[in-house]
Amino acid sequence: QVKLLQSGAALVKPGASVKMSCKASGYTFTDYWVSWVKQSHGKSLEWIGEIYPNSGATNFNEKFKGKATLTVDKSTSTAYMELSRLTSEDSAIYYCTREATAVPFAYWGQGTLVTVSS
Amino acid sequence: DIQMTQSPPSLSASLGDKVTITCQASQNINKYIAWYQQKPGKAPRLLIRYTSTLESGTPSRFSGSGSGRDYSFSISNVESEDIASYYCLQYDNLWTFGGGTKLELK
Repeated sequence: QVKLLQSGAALVKPGASVKMSCKASGYTFTDYWVSWVKQSHGKSLEWIGEIYPNSGATNFNEKFKGKATLTVDKSTSTAYMELSRLTSEDSAIYYCTREATAVPFAYWGQGTLVTVSS
Repeated sequence: DIQMTQSPPSLSASLGDKVTITCQASQNINKYIAWYQQKPGKAPRLLIRYTSTLESGTPSRFSGSGSGRDYSFSISNVESEDIASYYCLQYDNLWTFGGGTKLELK
């Protein structure tokens, strides 16, 4: 079955960067877009961007352009998201998700908690 | 960008009640709306796609309807396992989530 296993929680200082991972299994990694979604504490969900592992093509929510960088390693079926110039507003849970046929965000990782604090 | 206005933000129900959540899009989204359930400490779970199509494993007490800009999601006969937050998502033009509805027991 489809599984998305995300890296563990991170505590990072303001101004620093953080890179998190999402290891996929149970399907052909290069066949489906992988998206990243932000959930600030107690709040709703925001789509950050997506990457197509086969080509590396990306699309971003305008709000996160310049903040998030998406990459993949096809050899390990792992997607990565790096967030730069972190502030307290970036403290959140970040989910990787995968589309299914004709519907986005059908499968979800368990989430990575990022805390930005000095 | 398409905005999704979800209401109410919170809802209190007794076991066995019927509850309804609505989402209004800022423009016609051609029935491309999905509904997700999220329990505390867990990732969201897709329940319904394309307005009213239940995902495999979604109990039949869940339903969705709507068209154009206005959509609704209902749970008939609320059970204790339904206590969670619910989110709508439009996927007609990129993706936008609603603000969420927290369902609590009365």
